[in-house]
Amino acid sequence: AQKVTQAQTEISVVEKEDVTLDCVYETRDTTYYLFWYKQPPSGELVFLIRRNSFDEQNEISGRYSWNFQKSTSSFNFTITASQVVDSAVYFCALNSGIGETSGSRLTFGEGTQLTVNP
Amino acid sequence: DSGVTQTPKHLITATGQRVTLRCSPRSGDLSVYWYQQSLDQGLQFLIQYYNGEERAKGNILERFSAQQFPDLHSELNLSSLELGDSALYFCASSVETGGRHEQYFGPGTRLTVT
Repeated sequence: AQKVTQAQTEISVVEKEDVTLDCVYETRDTTYYLFWYKQPPSGELVFLIRRNSFDEQNEISGRYSWNFQKSTSSFNFTITASQVVDSAVYFCALNSGIGETSGSRLTFGEGTQLTVNP
Repeated sequence: DSGVTQTPKHLITATGQRVTLRCSPRSGDLSVYWYQQSLDQGLQFLIQYYNGEERAKGNILERFSAQQFPDLHSELNLSSLELGDSALYFCASSVETGGRHEQYFGPGTRLTVT
């Protein structure tokens, strides 16, 4: 069975603070993919990043960075110098449908509501 | 804008009724997924279609069914609706099946059952 846990239900910060959103996952598969999605107040789900289980390199994209650690089954997301527009619910997700002919499904965490105050 | 379209945006209906939600995937995407988002269950995978065939099934109720048509659009049919079916229903698409392909989500259909 697969499981994704986002222990932080809500986080509130002041603009320009750095904030880290935690994600811990469980899977028996050796090959899998991890994702982060953003759900702003408007409701749509926006894809942010995908990570392969065999690639533990950290990634930085502008103010966003991701820390993948297989040893602790964690895939944490950091926003540097947060802005009010970053306010949203952030979801971590896992997919281990690896074959090109296999089915595929995302298992989502519960989400973390991030509020950035001016 | 992800390129995935869903209609209608909002739907209000009564218990016992049947509704159809429609989804058009991004141009070129062969795989379509349906998810349900509710306060008590969170975001849950319902079903996946790939090039017209069912490929994966989640915790989809027997009262719910889906299909993908030759033009690749998909419909999710919900029947004998109950109050607990009120939720946000998302459609997503990806270029192929397989876990390495990111899924792009539509804006969702908010279903309210009264």
